[in-house]
Amino acid sequence: SQQGEEDPQALSIQEGENATMNCSYKTSINNLQWYRQNSGRGLVHLILIRSNEREKHSGRLRVTLDTSKKSSSLLITASRAADTASYFCATGGYNKLIFGAGTRLAVHP
Amino acid sequence: NAGVTQTPKFQVLKTGQSMTLQCAQDMNHEYMSWYRQDPGMGLRLIHYSVGAGITDQGEVPNGYNVSRSTTEDFPLRLLSAAPSQTSVYFCASSYNRAGVHNEQFFGPGTRLTVL
Repeated sequence: SQQGEEDPQALSIQEGENATMNCSYKTSINNLQWYRQNSGRGLVHLILIRSNEREKHSGRLRVTLDTSKKSSSLLITASRAADTASYFCATGGYNKLIFGAGTRLAVHP
Repeated sequence: NAGVTQTPKFQVLKTGQSMTLQCAQDMNHEYMSWYRQDPGMGLRLIHYSVGAGITDQGEVPNGYNVSRSTTEDFPLRLLSAAPSQTSVYFCASSYNRAGVHNEQFFGPGTRLTVL
């Protein structure tokens, strides 16, 4: 079973708009990570937020973590066509890092 | 650094054939793992290793074997290929201290088709 599950499954927006994706998980975590996957490629790490952090920024990315609700959100501000990709959250137990099914983001020019 | 490399990029097998997917990393990472990704789905963990000589099963280990004789290499063996193993396979590596995961570095993937 998936540890992390993203919502929505798919998101379609216009360039310049913000995109928000959510991730829920089931068990306690040390950290939560977000990855991007362009079509036909491997995953690329975007950001890692530790369990004692509530918010983290990296460029146009903002990640929040609510451990009481076992959820995280990824916000991409001022989206660009190049942000079109699938986005995955990943959480893990001691050694097993488990990925969710992902959110497919399409940004239209 | 080359990062994480995988070979081959593409492979077509017939049902019952065996083969080995190669994965190597040059970052001296302790943790290496294999995932499969099916259309429209996330990655499912097949096997992982926390260091040379140590491997363990992930979510979907059946039909696959792994070994870790060196820090750099983590090959995945398909024992008797089945059409259900048609997928894209990704290898990843990372630093892993005391079970805490850090940034995973992914290879480019191997696209496998089993006829």
